[in-house]
Amino acid sequence: EVQLVESGGGLVQPGGSLRLSCAASGFSFSRYDMHWVRQATGKGLEWVSGAGISGDTYYPVSVKGRFTISRENAKNSLYLQMNNLRAGDTAVYYCARAETGTLFDYWGQGTLVTVSS
Amino acid sequence: QSVLTQPPSASGTPGQRVTIPCYGSTSNIGSNFVNWYQQLPGTAPKVLIHKNNQRPSGVPDRFSGSKSGTTAFLAISGLRSEDEADYYCAAWDNSLSAYVLFGGGTKLTV
Repeated sequence: EVQLVESGGGLVQPGGSLRLSCAASGFSFSRYDMHWVRQATGKGLEWVSGAGISGDTYYPVSVKGRFTISRENAKNSLYLQMNNLRAGDTAVYYCARAETGTLFDYWGQGTLVTVSS
Repeated sequence: QSVLTQPPSASGTPGQRVTIPCYGSTSNIGSNFVNWYQQLPGTAPKVLIHKNNQRPSGVPDRFSGSKSGTTAFLAISGLRSEDEADYYCAAWDNSLSAYVLFGGGTKLTV
């Protein structure tokens, strides 16, 4: 059974940093692109970053330079290092597996990040 | 503001058919596949339609997808109360501002 379990969320002050983790199991992690998608309370989905199987990484303009996605295939783990956090980054962060393109076929349960003083 | 535009809400009565549009451009919907997600309250999104019109196993055939030019559509026929959820379209974008785009979401009320 495919499972994605996020961790690392919490309360952080504006300007602070946080590192999210996603533990994957039940599939060959190294063979899939992996992504982070976030959702602010009551708002829609927003793609945050992607990590390809070849080590390539992708970001939207809104987080580029502040967020860094990485993966450790030996540990079946995906990470998101978030720096210089802002109130607008407050959201539930989901880890998602990409079967292909934007087909996110499995999602974790999400981890809540709150940026507030 | 999402580059993929959906109406914020839609509604229908049980048994009816509802269509949700997703408006994009040549750099996303016009040149890439569209996927649709259903999100029930308090849960993670679930893929409903992929590659414009393909249903994953387990998704009822009441759900269908289509695409015409730069607009994609999700149709739900034989509406049921359990279809009440948020629906999102998604597509890859060929521009440099964002590679993956989600629509703003449509809240369906049955």
